[in-house]
Amino acid sequence: SSELTQDPGVSVALGQTVRITCQGDSLRIYYASWYQQKSGQTPLLVIYGKNNRPSGIPDRFSGSNSENTASLTITGAQAEDEADYYCSSRDGSNNLIWVFGGGTKLTVL
Amino acid sequence: EVQLLQSGAEVKKPGESLKISCQGSGYSFNNYWIAWVRQMPGKGLEWLGIIYPGDSDTRYSPSFEGQVTISVDKSVSTTYLQWSSLTASDTAVYYCARRGDHSAYEYFDYWGQGTLVPVSS
Repeated sequence: SSELTQDPGVSVALGQTVRITCQGDSLRIYYASWYQQKSGQTPLLVIYGKNNRPSGIPDRFSGSNSENTASLTITGAQAEDEADYYCSSRDGSNNLIWVFGGGTKLTVL
Repeated sequence: EVQLLQSGAEVKKPGESLKISCQGSGYSFNNYWIAWVRQMPGKGLEWLGIIYPGDSDTRYSPSFEGQVTISVDKSVSTTYLQWSSLTASDTAVYYCARRGDHSAYEYFDYWGQGTLVPVSS
């Protein structure tokens, strides 16, 4: 099955812009979705598809895609954005199987 | 309001069986796939499998096939995740999540609150 690779940790200064990336062969076929998980909480969908935000997600969150890489960008990071971020996509084998990336711990300095 | 309500924490011993549940409400339960996701202590999310309540079509991650069983009872809008014989390595929080219905995109839009399953002798 396919794998999705994320950097384990990224930091950003308060108010600055940060990009979190996710790499995998399945991303050549399927868009990634992105989930935010704050400490002790349930995962929350923040970006899906080409660049879609569910209702209630601030517009400082955006997504982009290029070949085998998906990116989540936070423009003007806030203290409350400190969390683990996971990408996910369907497995590239065309089966109804999904995979998650290993997660990126975002620290807001 | 869409909600996925999971059953409460279960403390189990190795070798015991377990069935946890996820009840959907606020939407057409039969028409949305429900996935199960594992999160071991201090670790990331792992996708276990998915079920379509309408016809009970079920798929498993190759990593978990044979280790767990996913089922559904449409009459009570509930999906289940079960083990026949737990081990300590099953200790985790288990989430259910609803697959979104956009025709072109894949995502999980609503999540249950999680069920903690500690397995210890």
